[in-house]
Amino acid sequence: EAGVAQSPRYKIIEKRQSVAFWCNPISGHATLYWYQQILGQGPKLLIQFQNNGVVDDSQLPKDRFSAERLKGVDSTLKIQPAKLEDSAVYLCASSSSGRAGNEQFFGPGTRLTVL
Amino acid sequence: GEDVEQSLFLSVREGDSSVINCTYTDSSSTYLYWYKQEPGAGLQLLTYIFSNMDMKQDQRLTVLLNKKDKHLSLRIADTQTGDSAIYFCADLIGSGYALNFGKGTSLLVTP
Repeated sequence: EAGVAQSPRYKIIEKRQSVAFWCNPISGHATLYWYQQILGQGPKLLIQFQNNGVVDDSQLPKDRFSAERLKGVDSTLKIQPAKLEDSAVYLCASSSSGRAGNEQFFGPGTRLTVL
Repeated sequence: GEDVEQSLFLSVREGDSSVINCTYTDSSSTYLYWYKQEPGAGLQLLTYIFSNMDMKQDQRLTVLLNKKDKHLSLRIADTQTGDSAIYFCADLIGSGYALNFGKGTSLLVTP
């Protein structure tokens, strides 16, 4: 079974530029998460989708971050404009459903450096 | 979300036992998790424990849960150099049951 796919793996941009990350979850997984992991910290949830609907985006900085999962499968996370503090690894995860106890499977992440 | 706290660093000798500790504040946590992160690799679920359990054993891993003190520990028996990684404790937050991670404990196993 293929795991969670993410691209690109690495991205370097200058501040005020825009960037987009892509995630393809495990086939059949209804729930998709985006987490931000800043160096030296644990991952922090940015947004959670159930199929193509948003379950939780309370920690998403909506003035610059946006995410979509239009067909309920793959998802895109965008930052516009980027700030220095957005330098982090962006992790995508999926689970079969958003129920407690369901394992979340993580992708390899996209490492973003903002100069 | 509620805080999950971990010590940041642990060093052990190969063959010894490692004990990684975690405290959490959300008394309603139903599941508590341990994830492992190796350099350049994604997060891997090691084990989890349901809140009505005190202990769970899985091969070299033993998880102990003290609900009264909101304390969780992960014991790795016969620690190997391949166990060197960052270990994250996590509980669940929000109506969607997303993961709420601690800052991670960096485990270094020396020969």
